[in-house]
Amino acid sequence: GAVVSQHPSWVICKSGTSVKIECRSLDFQATTMFWYRQFPKQSLMLMATSNEGSKATYEQGVEKDKFLINHASLTLSTLTVTSAHPEDSSFYICSATLTGEGSYTFGSGTRLTVV
Amino acid sequence: AQTVTQSQPEMSVQEAETVTLSCTYDTSENNYYLFWYKQPPSRQMILVIRQEAYKQQNATENRFSVNFQKAAKSFSLKISDSQLGDTAMYFCAFMKLGDDKIIFGKGTRLHILP
Repeated sequence: GAVVSQHPSWVICKSGTSVKIECRSLDFQATTMFWYRQFPKQSLMLMATSNEGSKATYEQGVEKDKFLINHASLTLSTLTVTSAHPEDSSFYICSATLTGEGSYTFGSGTRLTVV
Repeated sequence: AQTVTQSQPEMSVQEAETVTLSCTYDTSENNYYLFWYKQPPSRQMILVIRQEAYKQQNATENRFSVNFQKAAKSFSLKISDSQLGDTAMYFCAFMKLGDDKIIFGKGTRLHILP
């Protein structure tokens, strides 16, 4: 089956630094990738949608300058949390899909802690 | 705009019992997908079952089955012979055909008790 690899699985960083999270589709080419944020015991909140070779589409309220998304190839999307602050601490999940397939595969998530 | 509502924040059942998780949704679309996802303590999102709205037959996957009522916009998940490994957060989700964005409900936390 389709596999999406997300790294790192957890990261601790200092306030003010930047952190990059990678999302790779291992055995298929994903036309679209999604980034979610999940607070404890809550649902997934869509942050942005990225398509290969084009700018990401951010959801309302998500700061595009803080959460930089790059989708350089059909198998790789990255989320960079810039100038991280403790309030950015959260669980971040990516997913990938082939357009129109109605099939999504999720990465295993990244727990970010900013100290 | 589409919305997905899960009215049961938390449920507990004994192992081997059958449990039904409720989900309703609101849409003016006629063609769409509905999903149930499971998120165990590992937090990995796992697809449990998928239903295409144009299919009248309810989807089933082993012990998991759905009751899809299109007119009522209801999409409940039944877990038969529940197992300890079924303990997880369950999310109902909606996707409009031709759109890649998936809309999640708030989830139901299911505890299977030994």
